[in-house]
Order: sequence, then C-alpha cells, then structure tokens
Amino acid sequence: AQKITQTQPGMFVQEKEAVTLDCTYDTSDPSYGLFWYKQPSSGEMIFLIYQGSYDQQNATEGRYSLNFQKARKSANLVISASQLGDSAMYFCAMREDSEYGNKLVFGAGTILRVKS
Amino acid sequence: SQTIHQWPATLVQPVGSPLSLECTVEGTSNPNLYWYRQAAGRGLQLLFYSVGIGQISSEVPQNLSASRPQDRQFILSSKKLLLSDSGFYLCAWGPRAGHEKLFFGSGTQLSVL
Repeated sequence: AQKITQTQPGMFVQEKEAVTLDCTYDTSDPSYGLFWYKQPSSGEMIFLIYQGSYDQQNATEGRYSLNFQKARKSANLVISASQLGDSAMYFCAMREDSEYGNKLVFGAGTILRVKS
Repeated sequence: SQTIHQWPATLVQPVGSPLSLECTVEGTSNPNLYWYRQAAGRGLQLLFYSVGIGQISSEVPQNLSASRPQDRQFILSSKKLLLSDSGFYLCAWGPRAGHEKLFFGSGTQLSVL
C-alpha cells in the first residue's frame, strides 16, 4: 500500500493566487515527520518545509505553509501569492524510522504550472 | 558547510555494460547516505541507504548494488545494465541523529540504450 499519496498529477494556478497541493499519508508510528520538496526542471531537490508529528502549530516558511490535519493524515502544502518561478514538480515525503536508520518515502509528485 | 557531490551529470551506456556512480559528502561526519531513482515524470524510489561504512540496506530487489567504502562515499553499481535501469539517480545525505531533512546531490541522468 502507498504510504504517501498525492492525488493531483498536475495543477494550474494563476500568478499571485494561492494554491493547495494535497498529500495524505499512512503510518502507525506515533513519531514521524512530513516534508515537502520542490523539483524544478533542472532536477535538483529543494527542501521547502517540515512538519513533525508532535508539532502543535502548522509549519510555515515564507510563502509556504503546511496544513497539517493529523486525524485525517493529511499534510497539504499551501503556496501563497504564486510566482512564475514556482512552476515545478512538488513532492510530499514522510520520514520512516527503522533500526537501520531514517529514510524518506516520497509520493508520486504534483506538477504545478503558474500562469501569467 | 556541508556539500554533496555526485557525478557524472549524464551518462549514456549500452545494455550489458557496467555502471559506477559515485557520491561524496563534505563537511559532516557519520552521515546517513541514500540512493534514489526517479523514472521520467515520476516520484522518487528509494534504492539503498547506509548508516555506516559497509552497512547497506536494500529497499527493492534489482540489478543494482551499493557500497560504502568510506564514511562519506557512497557508490551505486551494476555489473550489467538493463534498459529498465534508465532514469535519474539522486544521492542524498542526512544527519545520523535527529529528524532533519535530506540534502540531495544534483543527480545523474542515466540512459541505457
């Protein structure tokens, strides 16, 4: 079963508007972390934001915020005031702890296109 | 500051040829190291990860292997490449302790023809 689900293969948003990228996860571990990464066409992976499972407040980093709904097991990324440079692939990921170390499990990604 | 180097950036190899991709990390000690593969337009699949020299965990059975001969060096190898090995390979490191994010290399685009 998929542990990270991103149901939106592609999204369009008008420049300067806000957009929400969906992410749901599945885990029985009480301690976990959720991440969002941005991948532009160059292929590099750019870290955007992190939410710990015990964090009481939703994480925010500049124009990025994470809408964390623990009971629903969702961790949606909200980008405010979209810019043309926000066009990229966006990945949601979850940290899994194991006796062999931590690892990140990624979703399939959402391609975001910002229109001018 | 920490940096991660991955090379080559692009590689075109014939089917049946060997493969060696190298990744090194600078500015940190005892990192966790990871190899991911990304098929075109798809998500990242974790291939291998390592918590120390000589310690390799494999996530999926496949035609590839990994080795960690030094603390900050991680190598992805194959004896005979398959067409299905084509993809974008990303190396990453993360701190041993804590719940920090992973830092990724710039990736290798491998085309097996």
